[in-house]
Amino acid sequence: AQTVTQSQPEMSVQEAETVTLSCTYDTSESDYYLFWYKQPPSRQMILVIRQEAYKQQNATENRFSVNFQKAAKSFSLKISDSQLGDAAMYFCAYRRTGNQFYFGTGTSLTVIP
Amino acid sequence: DSGVTQTPKHLITATGQRVTLRCSPRSGDLSVYWYQQSLDQGLQFLIHYYNGEERAKGNILERFSAQQFPDLHSELNLSSLELGDSALYFCASSGGLGFYEQYFGPGTRLTVT
Repeated sequence: AQTVTQSQPEMSVQEAETVTLSCTYDTSESDYYLFWYKQPPSRQMILVIRQEAYKQQNATENRFSVNFQKAAKSFSLKISDSQLGDAAMYFCAYRRTGNQFYFGTGTSLTVIP
Repeated sequence: DSGVTQTPKHLITATGQRVTLRCSPRSGDLSVYWYQQSLDQGLQFLIHYYNGEERAKGNILERFSAQQFPDLHSELNLSSLELGDSALYFCASSGGLGFYEQYFGPGTRLTVT
């Protein structure tokens, strides 16, 4: 079975600082995709970043980057230079072959001015 | 704008009633997913359709049903509604050429009174 675990229900970070959100997953597949989604107070789900499992290079999107450790089945999200607008719920997601997706329970990020 | 549309945005109804939520996927996407998100909860996967066929079922109650039509839009039917069915219902689409992530609609907020 595929499961996604986010062990940090809540995190906080000082504005302009860096924070890392953790995610681990369980799979027996070798080819899959991983994602981080952001859900701000508007409740809209917004894609932040994606990582293909076959790529060794960690994905980066501006201030957002991931640390993908395939052997450890770990996929953490690093937010640099945190901004007030980064405050949101963050969900880690796993996509297996056949277009099936699994989501973690989320991490609520607070940004302190 | 993700390209996924959902109607209605808000729905208020009474217990015991039946409602239909509608979703139009992004152009070219063949997969449609339905999720339920109760207040301060994570995403609960309900059901996945691919090109008109049901592909996977999650924690979907027997009172709920869904279908995907030939034009690829999807409807989620909720019947015999209970107070606990009050939630945000998301539709997401995936599977267009070259894209592997899910794109979420804005959601339908259902309130059962």
